[in-house]
Amino acid sequence: KAGVTQTPRYLIKTRGQQVTLSCSPISGHRSVSWYQQTPGQGLQFLFEYFSETQRNKGNFPGRFSGRQFSNSRSEMNVSTLELGDSALYLCASSTGQGGEKLFFGSGTQLSVL
Amino acid sequence: QQQVKQSPQSLIVQKGGISIINCAYENTAFDYFPWYQQFPGKGPALLIAIRPDVSEKKEGRFTISFNKSAKQFSLHIMDSQPGDSATYFCAASRRNAGGTSYGKLTFGQGTILTVHP
Repeated sequence: KAGVTQTPRYLIKTRGQQVTLSCSPISGHRSVSWYQQTPGQGLQFLFEYFSETQRNKGNFPGRFSGRQFSNSRSEMNVSTLELGDSALYLCASSTGQGGEKLFFGSGTQLSVL
Repeated sequence: QQQVKQSPQSLIVQKGGISIINCAYENTAFDYFPWYQQFPGKGPALLIAIRPDVSEKKEGRFTISFNKSAKQFSLHIMDSQPGDSATYFCAASRRNAGGTSYGKLTFGQGTILTVHP
């Protein structure tokens, strides 16, 4: 069974631009969660989607948004990029039916210059 | 507000030794406590997890000890191996309002474990 796939693996953007990251969950998983990982703040929850609906949200500004498609694939978007948005963005999938196990992808490393 | 505090930040042990990483949480509503292992360039991988209704869970060389009254839990790695060298994260979660998700994990700051051969 294929794992969680995130694309692209690396991304370089400049301040003020916007970026879209993609995540394909494990086949059969309907829940996708997004996390930001930085050396200073560690791993922080962004949001979770299930059946195309956001059902959990972290404490990030509105510049961070996401969506989920009918095939459970998810995208997250960051608008008006700031230097502090440089981070590893991780996607995790789970069955979404009350199961606790999250399976993480390898992430997208975003650098904002 | 940091809800899960993890220590130590880094740990060096000899091959065959015991590695111990500790975590403390504040929110008594948490009811799921996983440990994740992360290698460079990879995402975190679930290692072992525990619920507060048990005090200990063992899987192979990995054991979680849980103290509900103290709001603390720890990971013990027995017979540590060089291949165990990685960053370890404790985390905590609770079901969402609909009772269907543990997708929102609160992580500790991580412990970099180095096992010398």
